[in-house]
Amino acid sequence: DVKVTQSSRYLVKRTGEKVFLECVQDMDHENMFWYRQDPGLGLRLIYFSYDVKMKEKGDIPEGYSVSREKKERFSLILESASTNQTSMYLCASSLSVPPTPLNYGYTFGSGTRLTVV
Amino acid sequence: AQTVTQSQPEMSVQEAETVTLSCTYDTSESNYYLFWYKQPPSRQMILVIRQEAYKQQNATENRFSVNFQKAAKSFSLKISDSQLGDTAMYFCAFMKHYGGATNKLIFGTGTLLAVQP
Repeated sequence: DVKVTQSSRYLVKRTGEKVFLECVQDMDHENMFWYRQDPGLGLRLIYFSYDVKMKEKGDIPEGYSVSREKKERFSLILESASTNQTSMYLCASSLSVPPTPLNYGYTFGSGTRLTVV
Repeated sequence: AQTVTQSQPEMSVQEAETVTLSCTYDTSESNYYLFWYKQPPSRQMILVIRQEAYKQQNATENRFSVNFQKAAKSFSLKISDSQLGDTAMYFCAFMKHYGGATNKLIFGTGTLLAVQP
């Protein structure tokens, strides 16, 4: 019954490495999001996508890029990982035009805890 | 810009008792959605309850209910008959209601609730 899948639960990478975080959803949602979660800061939006090959910056895009080649897959890329990118990363998806009020909201993946050493 | 404030970083409640988590928000929008999400130690974000701003009636879901005060921009969550499984981080979140491509969720910083046996 898994609907949003993040490929790794835990990840340890070295400073300067290029890191790919993968997210796949099976609900045919148009919108996909990447958030970063840090203690005391809540969830902060990094990037989002509302269609294949479309992307928009969120509140903290610096040091990140994204790729959406297929509707179901949204990748977050750390071009050159740094220790300040050690965090929990959450992927989510949603419908662009929910058919009813009950469909408003996101479905989340279970997160990737990334440690950069 | 919209903001969401959760002023209680941590709370504790005894099993079977009632607890209220606070949330205030700031917006110039008249139509929007408010959410409470729960994140247990498993890290999976779970939607607890949803409130449509145009509805005066407070939403309820079993033991969970909200006190929505639109004029005061307040959206508190009440958990009745607290259970050990309610132990989690709780996030309040805001979304504009236009169902468009950028229906972003804006999160508060979270309240860590511990239910004591």
